[in-house]
Amino acid sequence: RKEVEQDPGPFNVPEGATVAFNCTYSNSASQSFFWYRQDCRKEPKLLMSVYSSGNEDGRFTAQLNRASQYISLLIRDSKLSDSATYLCVVNARSGYSTLTFGKGTMLLVSP
Amino acid sequence: NAGVTQTPKFQVLKTGQSMTLQCAQDMNHEYMSWYRQDPGMGLRLIHYSVGAGITDQGEVPNGYNVSRSTTEDFPLRLLSAAPSQTSVYFCASSYDPRTGASYEQYFGPGTRLTVT
Repeated sequence: RKEVEQDPGPFNVPEGATVAFNCTYSNSASQSFFWYRQDCRKEPKLLMSVYSSGNEDGRFTAQLNRASQYISLLIRDSKLSDSATYLCVVNARSGYSTLTFGKGTMLLVSP
Repeated sequence: NAGVTQTPKFQVLKTGQSMTLQCAQDMNHEYMSWYRQDPGMGLRLIHYSVGAGITDQGEVPNGYNVSRSTTEDFPLRLLSAAPSQTSVYFCASSYDPRTGASYEQYFGPGTRLTVT
């Protein structure tokens, strides 16, 4: 099983739709979880951290399920500007070198 | 703050040539890293540094050298370029987690390298 797995997509959704991505991780001792956003030919940027109790930032909701070892990202009321690749990032152990990036899920929002 | 800056933005090398990719940050971050991103492979860690004078290997270090003489700068050297090193290279910096800050990475804009 790969360390961090994501469905590559693309997810094609109309504006205003709700879309959800999942990411699974293999190391049950993983400690930190993040979602990054990467626009085409640009650098990744932190979208949000993922906390054990789940957290929300505007239209974005992130959740962590430790028992099943997955994290999710829910985007409500999709905008054209949400079109991007969303990277799941997991810190497998305490230590800077162990950040593992998923390959990303592509989202395309159409008018 | 300029954040994380990288130069050059684009580079074409011939096989066997050497070059240095520059990375600098002005956020006083202790941690800096180099990643490469290839289609279908995701971001992979090449080398990283937890402070001036301290570097270590990541997942794919072969063919690359780094040094960290100052907190601000973290150059990546390609010793003898190979076509397999054609990629997009990102430098990133982060707070020192020892202070309790998160592992949030701030990325530079990237260098697109082609080796022919």
